[in-house]
Amino acid sequence: DIVMTQSPDSLAVSLGERATINCKSSQSVLYSSNNKNYLAWYQQKPGQPPKLLIYWASTRESGVPDRFSGSGSGTDFTLTISSLQAEDVAVYYCQQYYSTPLFTFGPGTKVDIK
Amino acid sequence: EVQLVESGGGLVKPGGSLRLSCAASGFTFSSYSMNWVRQAPGKGLEWVSSISSSSSYIYYADSVKGRFTISRDNAKNSLYLQMNSLRAEDTAVYYCARAADGNLYDAFDIWGQGTMVTVSS
Repeated sequence: DIVMTQSPDSLAVSLGERATINCKSSQSVLYSSNNKNYLAWYQQKPGQPPKLLIYWASTRESGVPDRFSGSGSGTDFTLTISSLQAEDVAVYYCQQYYSTPLFTFGPGTKVDIK
Repeated sequence: EVQLVESGGGLVKPGGSLRLSCAASGFTFSSYSMNWVRQAPGKGLEWVSSISSSSSYIYYADSVKGRFTISRDNAKNSLYLQMNSLRAEDTAVYYCARAADGNLYDAFDIWGQGTMVTVSS
């Protein structure tokens, strides 16, 4: 089973500053046949369902601001918010959709304003 | 507008059953794999089950295998989750979610607002 871990558990960043969240999978989620990393990032605000931000590790979902970016390959991934805005306060989850048990989520990282 | 609307949640006693529904609109439901994800109060996201577009492939998390059954009716644009032998640890908000490009192995691009299931005596 692929286990997803995230770090840090929470972070507080000043408005306009960079926020970086790390995600690590216990096994590679890179599928060699198509060279795609089966890794997504979601944002969840209180009382709302999750929202897809990034898929294939680095492809931004339509309508997502370009201050959000994803990077990494294999087992190590990063979500970066280049200039934190007040509306970015949320919990962020990574998810692998490579292997059974399908679609394991990371434990989440809470982002707040400093 | 692409939309998913869950229903069927509520309060049930341990050992009881509940059937959740997810009504889809605004897209060709029969072309997409679908999923159930749950979130216990104050906790993270837990994938529960997935079903391919034609119901040929079905998967469950170990925590619900043998107790929950996912199904779909493409003619009714609806997804279901039959939950039996419910336990206190099944208490959560249950979300249905669409696979982004229709394939089983895809990120989840559309989510419903969720329906709350509470298992308590």
